[in-house]
Parts: sequence; C-alpha cells; structure tokens
Amino acid sequence: DAGVIQSPRHEVTEMGQEVTLRCKPISGHDYLFWYRQTMMRGLELLIYFNNNVPIDDSGMPEDRFSAKMPNASFSTLKIQPSEPRDSAVYFCASSPSAGPQPQHFGDGTRLSIL
Amino acid sequence: AQTVTQSQPEMSVQEAETVTLSCTYDTSESDYYLFWYKQPPSRQMILVIRQEAYKQQNATENRFSVNFQKAAKSFSLKISDSQLGDAAMYFCAYRPLHSGNTPLVFGKGTRLSVIA
Repeated sequence: DAGVIQSPRHEVTEMGQEVTLRCKPISGHDYLFWYRQTMMRGLELLIYFNNNVPIDDSGMPEDRFSAKMPNASFSTLKIQPSEPRDSAVYFCASSPSAGPQPQHFGDGTRLSIL
Repeated sequence: AQTVTQSQPEMSVQEAETVTLSCTYDTSESDYYLFWYKQPPSRQMILVIRQEAYKQQNATENRFSVNFQKAAKSFSLKISDSQLGDAAMYFCAYRPLHSGNTPLVFGKGTRLSVIA
C-alpha cells in the first residue's frame, strides 16, 4: 500500500519567494494533518482537515501561511512570502476517522529559506 | 491544554540491553490514546506502539512494551534486547478520545543512542 506522499523532499529557496508543499494522503483516510518540526518548538500542529474541510487552523503561524485540500487525494501548504524563520521540516499525516487509529506520516519536506 | 513531557533529552544503551524512556502527560480527559513514534535519521515518523487509556493491560509489540500508569499520567517505553537499528529520536504523543480523529500532542523527544 502506498503511504502518505509528500513533495518535494527538500526545498531551498530565497527569502520572499513563494513555497508550495504538497501532500497525497492514504486513500480512504478522511483526516489530514500538517505538522511542523523545529529544534526549538518540536512537532506542532499547523492545521488539519476532515473530509477536505479545515477543522482547526489555529496553529498556522501567520497570514503568510495557507493550506488547501481541494479533494480527498491532495493538499497543499503554501508560504508567501517565505522568511528564514520558516525553515523547518513539514510533515503531512493522514488517518481514518474512527477508533485508536494512528496517524500515518509522510517523509516530510525539509524547507530551508536563505 | 494538554501537554506531554519527556524529561530525558538523551539516553544511551548497550546493544542487547534494556532501556526505558520516560513520558508524562497532563490532561483532564478520562479517555484518550497514547503513542510512541520513532524518528530515525531518515526523518520518517514510525509508529512503535499505542495504548488506549481505557485498557488496563499494557501494550506490547515484540521487543517494545509500555508501562502505562493512568493515575500517575505516566507512559514509559521499554525497549528490550536493544539493537543498533533502535537508535533514533523517540516521541511520546497523546490525543483525546473524541468522535473522529484529533491532532497529536507531542513531547520534545528523547534521542536514543545504541552502543555496540
């Protein structure tokens, strides 16, 4: 079975540029989560969706961040304009809705803003 | 707000020995799930073990087992017969038992080194 697929795996770009991170959840999973991992703050939730609808975006740090899920098989996290402090590893995870189902993580995107 | 605390930033263990990683959490919920995830240098987040708080029996998965103490809000991970491949960051995570699914709250992690 294909797992959660994230792209790109690495992204290096200059400050001020737009960055788009992509995620394809596991088929049949109706929850999708975006997390960010930094040395200082660890793993923290940015936003999550249920059936393509954003449920909680309180973790999105600023208006520069936006996320969409146009259909059940695709989500994007966009940063515009990017800043050096956005440098982090961004994870996408998906899970089914019921019971103690674990969240399945993608391999993450390591983002470096110069 | 729920919090998860891992008090050991780093641990080391001799190959074939046993090591225990600590995790405590704070919640006012009575029903919830707890997880341990492993993150090797490859950056993947791999589920190691999970525990439902309404189950008294401690979860086990091969060489991995937990000591779940609900009253103490403690959820430690024991790794038996440690192997070189166990070297990784280990994250303890919590989520409440609600209808549907909810985000995980993670601890800051424990870096485990395995000495040959």
